[in-house]
Amino acid sequence: GNSVTQMEGPVTLSEEAFLTINCTYTATGYPSLFWYVQYPGEGLQLLLKATKADDKGSNKGFEATYRKETTSFHLEKGSVQVSDSAVYFCALSEGGSNYKLTFGKGTLLTVNP
Amino acid sequence: SAVISQKPSRDICQRGTSLTIQCQVDSQVTMMFWYRQQPGQSLTLIATANQGSEATYESGFVIDKFPISRPNLTFSTLTVSNMSPEDSSIYLCSVSLGSIYGYTFGSGTRLTVV
Repeated sequence: GNSVTQMEGPVTLSEEAFLTINCTYTATGYPSLFWYVQYPGEGLQLLLKATKADDKGSNKGFEATYRKETTSFHLEKGSVQVSDSAVYFCALSEGGSNYKLTFGKGTLLTVNP
Repeated sequence: SAVISQKPSRDICQRGTSLTIQCQVDSQVTMMFWYRQQPGQSLTLIATANQGSEATYESGFVIDKFPISRPNLTFSTLTVSNMSPEDSSIYLCSVSLGSIYGYTFGSGTRLTVV
């Protein structure tokens, strides 16, 4: 079956530091890949996505590239802010509109001023 | 992308009672998904709700405990039955309008069972 493995947290950084959260996946087909963010006390928001190999998703300064050869989708940001403090989830879907999401365990990021 | 209205946003319930959670979507969607997020954990799919047919439950989840209704293409309910403290979680509904849009989540229902 499908699975997503992401970097164990928590991750604590100072403001303006570089962020990487690793994510690797196992899937039988050619999945779409997602990063979701959950701010404290809120629901999940789609941060970025990529639907095929070598696609780069980007949003709010965050980026992730779909690497089929390494089955990875690592999240990066060049300069984090305190407002980026949240839980980040990597997820995959086998595709189409009718397939479920498989989530990683989530990584708690805390950014200190 | 779709907009989902989920309610209630939170509730505190007595053990042995039931709670029904509602999700309303502003677009017609074929399938809706119900997830559970236990404290400090990731999301686990409970079931996929199909309009006009029985919901499809994931391993470890049963209809008697989590009955689901899907009366039309914009609405679904999840009931958490005969609750115990172990059911204290955030419950979220989700839909997708296609892979290019990703999946949209409701704001969640934070349930505490006492």
